[in-house]
Amino acid sequence: EAGVTQFPSHSVIEKGQTVTLRCDPISGHDNLYWYRRVMGKEIKFLLHFVKESKQDESGMPNNRFLAERTGGTYSTLKVQPAELEDSGVYFCASSQSENVPLHFGNGTRLTVT
Amino acid sequence: QKEVEQNSGPLSVPEGAIASLNCTYSDRGSQSFFWYRQYSGKSPELIMSIYSNGDKEDGRFTAQLNKASQYVSLLIRDSQPSDSATYLCAVSGGSYIPTFGRGTSLIVHP
Repeated sequence: EAGVTQFPSHSVIEKGQTVTLRCDPISGHDNLYWYRRVMGKEIKFLLHFVKESKQDESGMPNNRFLAERTGGTYSTLKVQPAELEDSGVYFCASSQSENVPLHFGNGTRLTVT
Repeated sequence: QKEVEQNSGPLSVPEGAIASLNCTYSDRGSQSFFWYRQYSGKSPELIMSIYSNGDKEDGRFTAQLNKASQYVSLLIRDSQPSDSATYLCAVSGGSYIPTFGRGTSLIVHP
């Protein structure tokens, strides 16, 4: 069984540019989560999809962040325009149902300069 | 705001010793508790999940939950250098969205 895969693994962009992160969950996992870890801080929840629907996006920091999951398969997280404070590691996780352990991808390390 | 607190460490133990990792949480309605291990540059991977008060053992790992004290711990017996990693405590409640602590860095030295 293939795990959760994320692309790219690293991204370095300049302030004001746009970046799109992609996550492919484990096949059959309806639940998909985005988390972010800023250096020295805890992994923070961004949003949760159930299939193609946004179930909870209370963790999204502002309207520069846009997540989509068209068709209920892979998901993208776009940051536009990127700011310095957006730097961190963005993790995607998936699960077959709610209230069960999450399966994480290796993360995308985003550096905004 | 729901909070999960962990001592960031590092916690240093000799090989063969018991490592004790602790976690407290603020939401009394929390129902599910998870311990993840994360090696540097890698994804968090599940070590243990626990849902009811008491102890749960899996090999060298034992998770302990005390809901009255809002406390969950992870014991690693016979610690090995390969156990050196960051251990993340995660807690979820009615929303089923896990909230993570900052993690405790564990170093097992030969």
